[in-house]
Amino acid sequence: AQKVTQAQTEISVVEKEDVTLDCVYETRDTTYYLFWYKQPPSGELVFLIRRNSFDEQNEISGRYSWNFQKSTSSFNFTITASQVVDSAVYFCALSELTQGGSEKLVFGKGTKLTVNP
Amino acid sequence: GAVVSQHPSRVICKSGTSVKIECRSLDFQATTMFWYRQFPKQSLMLMATSNEGSKATYEQGVEKDKFLINHASLTLSTLTVTSAHPEDSSFYICSARETGTRSGELFFGEGSRLTVL
Repeated sequence: AQKVTQAQTEISVVEKEDVTLDCVYETRDTTYYLFWYKQPPSGELVFLIRRNSFDEQNEISGRYSWNFQKSTSSFNFTITASQVVDSAVYFCALSELTQGGSEKLVFGKGTKLTVNP
Repeated sequence: GAVVSQHPSRVICKSGTSVKIECRSLDFQATTMFWYRQFPKQSLMLMATSNEGSKATYEQGVEKDKFLINHASLTLSTLTVTSAHPEDSSFYICSARETGTRSGELFFGEGSRLTVL
């Protein structure tokens, strides 16, 4: 069975601090995809990144960066110089093949990030 | 970018009534759509995979007679909560992937918050 663990339930930081959200996954598949989504208070899910299992390069997008380490089955997400608008619940997810051959996402429980002014 | 629209965004109904939620892909075709359910402060749990022109595939523990899914066209999937009860109150989110893409970005709708009185 596939599993995604986000050990941090809630994190609170002060604006401009850097913060890292942890994600550890379990899978028997050799090919898989990992995702991060942001869910602001309004409820919609905002796609942040997709990473396939063969690409271990770290990625940076503005203040966001991701560290993919296959050796430790981790896909951590760092926000640099956090801002109040970053306050949201962040979900890490792992793709899984359904019986019908399509792929579905298995989500972690999410980490609620609060950035205080 | 691709957009998935859900309607209604909020619905309040009396116990025993049925409620239909629509999920539309606005600028792409989606052979497969996914329906998720999210309880307050919890993660997204996949309910079913909706397949255009065929029966939906339900996750273990999800009552297919309770949550009717119809995927009549390549741009529309509907979820009907039949004989709704207060315990069905939840946030329902659909997602879709463009036909022909594999493990590409999953686009999520804005979610539909159901409150059953």
